[in-house]
Amino acid sequence: DAGVIQSPRHEVTEMGQEVTLRCKPISGHNSLFWYRQTMMRGLELLIYFNNNVPIDDSGMPEDRFSAKMPNASFSTLKIQPSEPRDSAVYFCASSSGQGGDEQFFGPGTRLTVL
Amino acid sequence: GNSVTQMEGPVTLSEEAFLTINCTYTATGYPSLFWYVQYPGEGLQLLLKATKADDKGSNKGFEATYRKETTSFHLEKGSVQVSDSAVYFCALIKNNNNDMRFGAGTRLTVKP
Repeated sequence: DAGVIQSPRHEVTEMGQEVTLRCKPISGHNSLFWYRQTMMRGLELLIYFNNNVPIDDSGMPEDRFSAKMPNASFSTLKIQPSEPRDSAVYFCASSSGQGGDEQFFGPGTRLTVL
Repeated sequence: GNSVTQMEGPVTLSEEAFLTINCTYTATGYPSLFWYVQYPGEGLQLLLKATKADDKGSNKGFEATYRKETTSFHLEKGSVQVSDSAVYFCALIKNNNNDMRFGAGTRLTVKP
């Protein structure tokens, strides 16, 4: 079992550029979550999907952030335009989708916006 | 709303010392409770879990008991090792949804 796969593992970009983070959930999992982790704010849920449908995006910081899940095995988180305050580690996680189940995390993408 | 409060860190211990990291929760109904561990440069990994009152989760020498009367799920280990140095997160999830709530995390450093 490959676990949750994220790419890239590290991204360095300049302010104003578009950034796309990618996630492949564990096969058979129906729920997918995007989190952001910073020293100041800890772990924040940005958005989650059930069966490819966004259920709760109240954690998305602003319109510069968007997330899609075109199929059960792929999701993207896009930031356009990026700003230095977006620098953080972004995690993707997946779960079976049955209520109360544990989440399995990917290794994260460390984003630095200069 | 549902939330988790855990002991603020950082916690520094010597090898073979006893560890306790406190976690209390607020939730309606009966949530499932979890401890996750995050090693440097990695994602969160499930350490242990308990799904109902009085359940004890255990793994790698760590234990936590779901205490409904005190709404707590404290993490304990009898003898820590240097390799246990990591950040530990307490979390809860309601059994009828996928909205997991995490505590702020507690950084543990174990010195030889």
